[in-house]
Amino acid sequence: GENVEQHPSTLSVQEGDSAVIKCTYSDSASNYFPWYKQELGKGPQLIIDIRSNVGEKKDQRIAVTLNKTAKHFSLHITETQPEDSAVYFCAADTGRRALTFGSGTRLQVQP
Amino acid sequence: GAGVSQSPSNKVTEKGKDVELRCDPISGHTALYWYRQSLGQGLEFLIYFQGNSAPDKSGLPSDRFSAERTGGSVSTLTIQRTQQEDSAVYLCASIPPSGLANEQFFGPGTRLTVL
Repeated sequence: GENVEQHPSTLSVQEGDSAVIKCTYSDSASNYFPWYKQELGKGPQLIIDIRSNVGEKKDQRIAVTLNKTAKHFSLHITETQPEDSAVYFCAADTGRRALTFGSGTRLQVQP
Repeated sequence: GAGVSQSPSNKVTEKGKDVELRCDPISGHTALYWYRQSLGQGLEFLIYFQGNSAPDKSGLPSDRFSAERTGGSVSTLTIQRTQQEDSAVYLCASIPPSGLANEQFFGPGTRLTVL
């Protein structure tokens, strides 16, 4: 089955700096890669996703890149703000409709 | 509009007891998932319901775990003879019928503590 590895497990940045979280996946059949943000006491919320026919996608301060050859994808957050502090999860799906999640990255943005 | 709701929000039980966790998906959503999130870990897939099709139970960790979905809406996850290692946050997610295949909308979760 699919295996998704995510790093770093924790990331601390100064407000205004950029943050990058990286994930690798094992199943070359995976074709959908969402990123979720989870705040304390809440369920994960989709923030951006990318499909395998696209190499990059951007939404305001958030961007995701995908390298299918290397089987890795990354989340980039620019101009970080304290409200960006949360746990971020990457995930991959082969089309069988159940996501395989990474282990999460706890992002702390220092004001 | 109303999102996915789960109840109870917290559940403390004694080892060996049975528990039932409830999920109310967004109205009209046809697919429903259960995940388990252990402390500091990612989400572990448990079971998936899609319409009237047989559920995908491939993620259930043991036969103490079962789930049902009545009328294509509300779902109940049951854990029998709970063990301490069952302690985790149990998350439910649903997908709209006309949306992209995997845009999952999550509930707030039920935090289960087995003493």
